[in-house]
Amino acid sequence: DVKVTQSSRYLVKRTGEKVFLECVQDMDHENMFWYRQDPGLGLRLIYFSYDVKMKEKGDIPEGYSVSREKKERFSLILESASTNQTSMYLCASSPHLGPSYEQYFGPGTRLTVT
Amino acid sequence: DQQVKQNSPSLSVQEGRISILNCDYTNSMFDYFLWYKKYPAEGPTFLISISSIKDKNEDGRFTVFLNKSAKHLSLHIVPSQPGDSAVYFCAASGKTSYDKVIFGPGTSLSVIP
Repeated sequence: DVKVTQSSRYLVKRTGEKVFLECVQDMDHENMFWYRQDPGLGLRLIYFSYDVKMKEKGDIPEGYSVSREKKERFSLILESASTNQTSMYLCASSPHLGPSYEQYFGPGTRLTVT
Repeated sequence: DQQVKQNSPSLSVQEGRISILNCDYTNSMFDYFLWYKKYPAEGPTFLISISSIKDKNEDGRFTVFLNKSAKHLSLHIVPSQPGDSAVYFCAASGKTSYDKVIFGPGTSLSVIP
């Protein structure tokens, strides 16, 4: 069974802290994605990676960075957390790039920055 | 400006009736459309998709209709069941592997027993 796991379901951090969100997939997928979900805005793509050590900016990369050292793991880093980064963060993976390949999502991490 | 719009944030339907969820898009280059379903405390899961060469795709109780000239698609659920209560995201993408998938804001469906 396909599985994408995220390291934390809930996280509370202070403004200015460095935050790491971890995502692991067990499907040997090439591609991994980080989204944030906000009310009224849907899912917005932050970054994606199509191979180990490769990354591409999504629609809202500002304030974020990513790391993919191993195929199964994709990390989202908030260098200096701010209150406007309070959100639900969703990780996803897919076997190939392209719209006809469904993305498999993790359960999400609810991050609150105070 | 949102390229994929779902103008109804929420919808309530009686069990057994039809649920119709609507989605509009602005980018005429979109070529492939998807619906994802999300339960609370879970990630979205893929539900059904349609390519622009079709105007209808059916999978059991779920049917998606595409009207390219109107830049409009809809998801029909017949008959609706309480387990269908979830947030439904419409998504769209271009035809190449480099095109990103753009998600709409979602519609929360409640199916009342």
